[in-house]
Amino acid sequence: GQQLNQSPQSMFIQEGEDVSMNCTSSSIFNTWLWYKQDPGEGPVLLIALYKAGELTSNGRLTAQFGITRKDSFLNISASIPSDVGIYFCAGPDPVNDYKLSFGAGTTVTVRA
Amino acid sequence: DSGVTQTPKHLITATGQRVTLRCSPRSGDLSVYWYQQSLDQGLQFLIQYYNGEERAKGNILERFSAQQFPDLHSELNLSSLELGDSALYFCASSIRLAGNEQFFGPGTRLTVL
Repeated sequence: GQQLNQSPQSMFIQEGEDVSMNCTSSSIFNTWLWYKQDPGEGPVLLIALYKAGELTSNGRLTAQFGITRKDSFLNISASIPSDVGIYFCAGPDPVNDYKLSFGAGTTVTVRA
Repeated sequence: DSGVTQTPKHLITATGQRVTLRCSPRSGDLSVYWYQQSLDQGLQFLIQYYNGEERAKGNILERFSAQQFPDLHSELNLSSLELGDSALYFCASSIRLAGNEQFFGPGTRLTVL
């Protein structure tokens, strides 16, 4: 089963607002990945994190690798309508790192 | 565009039938992964191939099988289809054996009637 817990499950945000979501695990992860999925499309890799404490940005997106290695955070600044979608965290499965474990996703809806 | 291609985009079939989904990985990627995404299940890992060999298996049903060919493209075969097999099927690829930085294709939407 899934070992990553994402919160919130969904959010409605106002255009222009900053947004935060997080992902936690009971196991230590060596890599954290954040993906975005638009309806009917495949997940797109946004940010990859490889080191505890690492802070990485991709445009208006910023993600952090928690220092305990059991959590990660994604921030979206100045939301725009195209930020709508489902955001997934993922990481190599602690037992079998050939595969990724995915969180259940955070659904973001932007109010114009 | 991730560079991963999947065909067909949509597939509608009947229960009991067999279908084949096809995936071409990004140029240079040796690993191919298959995932199933249902409305209530999220992304579920099915199976991984690396350079033609099966490397990891998830909760893949015995009715499902996959292979990776010498040119590195992969096929997922689904047989004796049931209504519950209706889902999005994604292929992903990565350059490494271990499962990080996977790049996903656009998916195949399978509808079983």
